Amino acid sequence: DGGITQSPKYLFRKEGQNVTLSCEQNLNHDAMYWYRQDPGQGLRLIYYSQIVNDFQKGDIAEGYSVSREKKESFPLTVTSAQKNPTAFYLCASSIWASGELFFGEGSRLTVL
Amino acid sequence: AQKITQTQPGMFVQEKEAVTLDCTYDTSDQSYGLFWYKQPSSGEMIFLIYQGSYDEQNATEGRYSLNFQKARKSANLVISASQLGDSAMYFCAMREASLGENDMRFGAGTRLTVKP
Repeated sequence: DGGITQSPKYLFRKEGQNVTLSCEQNLNHDAMYWYRQDPGQGLRLIYYSQIVNDFQKGDIAEGYSVSREKKESFPLTVTSAQKNPTAFYLCASSIWASGELFFGEGSRLTVL
Repeated sequence: AQKITQTQPGMFVQEKEAVTLDCTYDTSDQSYGLFWYKQPSSGEMIFLIYQGSYDEQNATEGRYSLNFQKARKSANLVISASQLGDSAMYFCAMREASLGENDMRFGAGTRLTVKP
């Protein structure tokens, strides 16, 4: 079945460590996105990518990095520079400039 | 400035009754799209319904309909015949053409609880 796969579903990290969240899609979508969701709040855009080897900062990019080496993959690295990384992270994709976003099941990151 | 406003943090509805979830938006674009998503406790975001700014008819998808009032910049979601499985967070979202439709903005959400 086509869809978006995020891993891991749950992740624990010590302060000062970088962690990478995986996002893979087999929908052949051009655009991919990373959102952050804090408890009781809406989604905020971290980064998005329209095509391979290109990506743009969203509203809260500080402390995060991404890469887009393949159309199918858009991993997110939460760096030690992110001061409050504990959150729920959602990856999404869409046909370029059209239609709804398709979401993965999310990754919940907890900093110990 | 807040682009999407959902003023109801929580709503309750009796099973089998209809409920309206409010959403207002702010844009100066003529071309934009409005979306509603459902987020159950599992966390996944489920697309429900879409309304384009040029669509003259209100969108409908099964038990979901979107009450689109363009002049008031309002895009309320109506759920008819509520079911227990409708209990979830609901998010209103918008994509604007001036941003190249790269970016989807979300409201803070409304938690709907369906009572048996």
